[in-house]
Amino acid sequence: ELKVEQNPLFLSMQEGKNYTIYCNYSTTSDRLYWYRQDPGKSLESLFVLLSNGAVKQEGRLMASLDTKARLSTLHITAAVHDLSATYFCAVTTGGSQGNLIFGKGTKLSVKP
Amino acid sequence: DAMVIQNPRYQVTQFGKPVTLSCSQTLNHNVMYWYQQKSSQAPKLLFHYYDKDFNNEADTPDNFQSRRPNTSFCFLDIRSPGLGDAAMYLCATSRDWVLAGPYEQYFGPGTRLTVT
Repeated sequence: ELKVEQNPLFLSMQEGKNYTIYCNYSTTSDRLYWYRQDPGKSLESLFVLLSNGAVKQEGRLMASLDTKARLSTLHITAAVHDLSATYFCAVTTGGSQGNLIFGKGTKLSVKP
Repeated sequence: DAMVIQNPRYQVTQFGKPVTLSCSQTLNHNVMYWYQQKSSQAPKLLFHYYDKDFNNEADTPDNFQSRRPNTSFCFLDIRSPGLGDAAMYLCATSRDWVLAGPYEQYFGPGTRLTVT
């Protein structure tokens, strides 16, 4: 059974600081996704990571994937308040099925 | 713009009163999914359609049913809602993944269901 673990689950940080969110998964997966969710809103796609060593950056967020370690990281650089949200990583179950298995999410709060 | 639309955005129903949630898409995607997300939890897949083929998750209660009359529309029917069914229901779509593996899923805005 594919399991996805994120840590930390809660993260309070000051503006301007850097931090990393970690996502571990238990079995081989086709690809890894990062989503952002604002309170009461739907999921917004941030990154899709397709292969070992993949790195993608958008603004202050950078995501990477190490398939050998079954680990993805979401790095936040010089955090700003607008980044406050819950961040989910998700992986597919593999084979021909596209079902997403989500981590529990990391609730990020960026304070001035 | 191509998109995933869910109606209504907020739904209040009474305990035991059947309710239907709607999802439509203009992306022409083969696959449509329904997720349940309870407060402060991760989304949980209920079922998905690959074209007309229905795939139910093993732990999805029988109380939840779905219909997909055509490519564009998919419905979630809750036959007898209980208090524990109060949640955000998210519809998502993706392109055909049989040939080239699972593609990115695009989520609708969600329907927040309240059961009184």
